[in-house]
Amino acid sequence: QITLKESGPTLVKPTQTLTLACTFSGFSLNTRGVGVGWFRQPPGKALEWLALIYWDDDKRSPPSLKSRLTITKDTSKNQVVLKMTNMDPVDTATYYCAHRRDCGGDCFDYWGQGSLVTVSS
Amino acid sequence: DIQMTQSPSSLSASVGDRVTITCRASQSISTYLNWYQQKPGKAPELLIYRASSLESGVPSKFSGSGSGTDFALTISSLQPEDFATYYCQQSYSTPTFGGGTKVEIK
Repeated sequence: QITLKESGPTLVKPTQTLTLACTFSGFSLNTRGVGVGWFRQPPGKALEWLALIYWDDDKRSPPSLKSRLTITKDTSKNQVVLKMTNMDPVDTATYYCAHRRDCGGDCFDYWGQGSLVTVSS
Repeated sequence: DIQMTQSPSSLSASVGDRVTITCRASQSISTYLNWYQQKPGKAPELLIYRASSLESGVPSKFSGSGSGTDFALTISSLQPEDFATYYCQQSYSTPTFGGGTKVEIK
């Protein structure tokens, strides 16, 4: 059974760096085709993809956020960590991690419960 | 980036109705299109992948169609548990999502 869970601060100050961890079970990030993605959703708004790390350590993120994001994996801990620098109130959102399956492209078939992060001084 | 546009942004429907939501890509994405359902306060759930393949465990009342730039998600007979927000996501290149379609009770 695949499970994922996000952990990290619920409140960060503007300009600070957000560090979120996704701890998972039921799969290995050493398995070909597997990945873990990060997403966010501001209150009442749509989903936004943030970053993706694959089994082979290939990493992707959207150009608009690339300079602020770092994604890393620790396969021994079954954990993926996302760092986002220079946080701003507009970054207030629920942050999700999800298991990536190769469906001919990127499908996200198991999700964490989400972690609400508020950016405020 | 490939832009995904969903329509309508919201709709009201009754239990038993047949509902269709559309998603348009800014360029051809073949059949690299996934659909998710999200209920309030919950994470998204994968319904359909590669435009028309039903995810394991998802009821057959959900179906997907389309290729190229135009896609549709159809719910054959709306039930109370189907009232939710639906998102499309292209998997042709790095992921992008549509803006969502909220299905509400009429």
